Amino acid sequence: GQQLNQSPQSMFIQEGEDVSMNCTSSSIFNTWLWYKQEPGEGPVLLIALYKAGELTSNGRLTAQFGITRKDSFLNISASIPSDVGIYFCAGGGSNYKLTFGKGTLLTVNP
Amino acid sequence: GAVVSQHPSRVICKSGTSVKIECRSLDFQATTMFWYRQFPKQSLMLMATSNEGSKATYEQGVEKDKFLINHASLTLSTLTVTSAHPEDSSFYICSASGTGGSPTNEKLFFGSGTQLSVL
Repeated sequence: GQQLNQSPQSMFIQEGEDVSMNCTSSSIFNTWLWYKQEPGEGPVLLIALYKAGELTSNGRLTAQFGITRKDSFLNISASIPSDVGIYFCAGGGSNYKLTFGKGTLLTVNP
Repeated sequence: GAVVSQHPSRVICKSGTSVKIECRSLDFQATTMFWYRQFPKQSLMLMATSNEGSKATYEQGVEKDKFLINHASLTLSTLTVTSAHPEDSSFYICSASGTGGSPTNEKLFFGSGTQLSVL
């Protein structure tokens, strides 16, 4: 089946630093989505990408849908303590059946 | 924005009992709902896809008779873990996509999850 490789697995950064994480796949996806999950909660959508090459921002977050449709990255600028959490990428087909990456655990030191 | 309500948020049960988890779309009609399972510090793994009024489609390795899914209306899907055992302890999350209300066909919303602990 389809698999997503998400990296890095974890990051420890200082408040104010920029963060970058990415996902790659051996398969093509129609959509790429980035979610944040906090302990005991369901994933919350951060950014959704629908077209190859698309670059979308949401506040301090920026994500891009790779031109090959097999990869995506998420950048967080000027990190703050509340950015702490697990970030998941997910690739989707036309029916919204998602394949999730393994997540990136982000820790921000004040 | 669209809301997907999942209930209960946490349940503890004895081994051998059955547990029902509900997933409701509050302001849109969910033609398709998805059920995921997540172990601690792991990713979300799709268990099954349910379409309103039809049988659920299960992913490989997921026991149909163990995890009963019912999607009887456009706003409600239920997952019943039958004869639960400790190894079924996990975080179960639903998501819904559909038409009407806030989301378009292109959007998908997640419930807040149910932590199941089987003693």
